[in-house]
Amino acid sequence: ETGVTQSPTHLIKTRGQQVTLRCSSQSGHNTVSWYQQALGQGPQFIFQYYREEENGRGNFPPRFSGLQFPNYSSELNVNALELDDSALYLCASSEGLAGRYEQFFGPGTRLTVL
Amino acid sequence: AQKVTQAQTEISVVEKEDVTLDCVYETRDTTYYLFWYKQPPSGELVFLIRRNSFDEQNEISGRYSWNFQKSTSSFNFTITASQVVDSAVYFCALRGGTSYGKLTFGQGTILTVHP
Repeated sequence: ETGVTQSPTHLIKTRGQQVTLRCSSQSGHNTVSWYQQALGQGPQFIFQYYREEENGRGNFPPRFSGLQFPNYSSELNVNALELDDSALYLCASSEGLAGRYEQFFGPGTRLTVL
Repeated sequence: AQKVTQAQTEISVVEKEDVTLDCVYETRDTTYYLFWYKQPPSGELVFLIRRNSFDEQNEISGRYSWNFQKSTSSFNFTITASQVVDSAVYFCALRGGTSYGKLTFGQGTILTVHP
C-alpha cells in the first residue's frame, strides 16, 4: 500500500510569484486535507477536499486555492506569494469525512519565499 | 471554537526515563476525537493514536500509554523507558464531531532523549 506522497520536496520562490504543490492520497482514500506549518508551530488547517469538492476551509485568504482530481490526488495553489507563506505544507488523506477516520500525512513540501 | 494547549514547549530526559506529555483541549462539541502525532526531524507527521470522546478507556501500547480524562479535558501521553529514537516533536490534535476534516493542533512539545 502506497502512502501519501507530495511533490516537490523543497521549493524556493520570490514574493509575488505563484506556486503549485501536489499530493497523491493513500490508496483507498477519497479525502484530502492541506495544512500549513510555520517554523516552531503546529499545523494550521487550510482546506479539505472530498470527492473533488472543497468541504471546509480554515482562516486562509482566497489566494490559497485547491483542486482534487478524479483519482483523489490534489493540488494546492498559492498566488501572489508573501514572505509569511514560507512554511512546511502538509497534505493528509483519509478514508472519508467522518471524524473517526485518521488522517495520514505526507512528508510535506518546504516552501521558502524570498 | 476549538483549542488545544500543550503547555510544555520542550522536555529533555535521559534514556530509560519515563516522560509524560500534557494536552488540554477545549471544544463545545459533544462528540469529538483526539489524536497524538509524532513529527521526527524528517518532517512527516506520524499518527500514534485516536480517542473518541465517548470512549474514556485508557490504552497501553508497548512503551506508549494514553490517559484520557473528560472531566479535566486532558489527553496525556506517556512514554515508558524512553529511547533516543523517541526524540521528536509531539502534537496533540482535536477534531470536533461537526468539523469533519479540520484537525486543530497544539503548539507541539519538543522531546529530546539523551543517551
